[in-house]
Amino acid sequence: DSGVTQTPKHLITATGQRVTLRCSPRSGDLSVYWYQQSLDQGLQFLIQYYNGEERAKGNILERFSAQQFPDLHSELNLSSLELGDSALYFCASSPSSYNSPLHFGNGTRLTVT
Amino acid sequence: AQTVTQSQPEMSVQEAETVTLSCTYDTSESDYYLFWYKQPPSRQMILVIRQEAYKQQNATENRFSVNFQKAAKSFSLKISDSQLGDAAMYFCAYRTNSGNTPLVFGKGTRLSVIA
Repeated sequence: DSGVTQTPKHLITATGQRVTLRCSPRSGDLSVYWYQQSLDQGLQFLIQYYNGEERAKGNILERFSAQQFPDLHSELNLSSLELGDSALYFCASSPSSYNSPLHFGNGTRLTVT
Repeated sequence: AQTVTQSQPEMSVQEAETVTLSCTYDTSESDYYLFWYKQPPSRQMILVIRQEAYKQQNATENRFSVNFQKAAKSFSLKISDSQLGDAAMYFCAYRTNSGNTPLVFGKGTRLSVIA
């Protein structure tokens, strides 16, 4: 168990809808990262937060947004969903130290129909 | 921008044998970290091993070891005495030493273990 909690595990929704994915980092970790993994693909970095502030942005669509709350949990909001947004969305966390690896949650499987 | 390349989409190995997965990366940084992650069918991302670029000694974790060639920007993973449970996708990843930067992943190598 990595200590990173993601909810829900599975999500099925229709095109055009909006969903929110939630992540609770490991105790003590200040950084949260979101990654997208499409079918049989590598992990694409979406966005990173550190102690409530956005730190880095990757290939995140304008329809997607995220935030990190004072209690350090994070939410990824996906709107105007398209079929191509179907993927596994991972949250990862790390401490403030730069040489620590990322610890991943079990992911949220999003299916857009 | 940093990139990570895994040139072997699929590999297979006989149980109890040794297999090496390749990874190369491109960076202009001199201080960074490299990782191998395993993703079994459960889709969890599990850290296998990590290497600090400033350390010349290759990292080892039980049956897993790396061959880190900094000048060649190569970071291969060797799995010894392969077991059925080693069957998974393996991702090579890179991270700069510039403070809380994200991991950059390769596209992965799917490893099959044959009984």
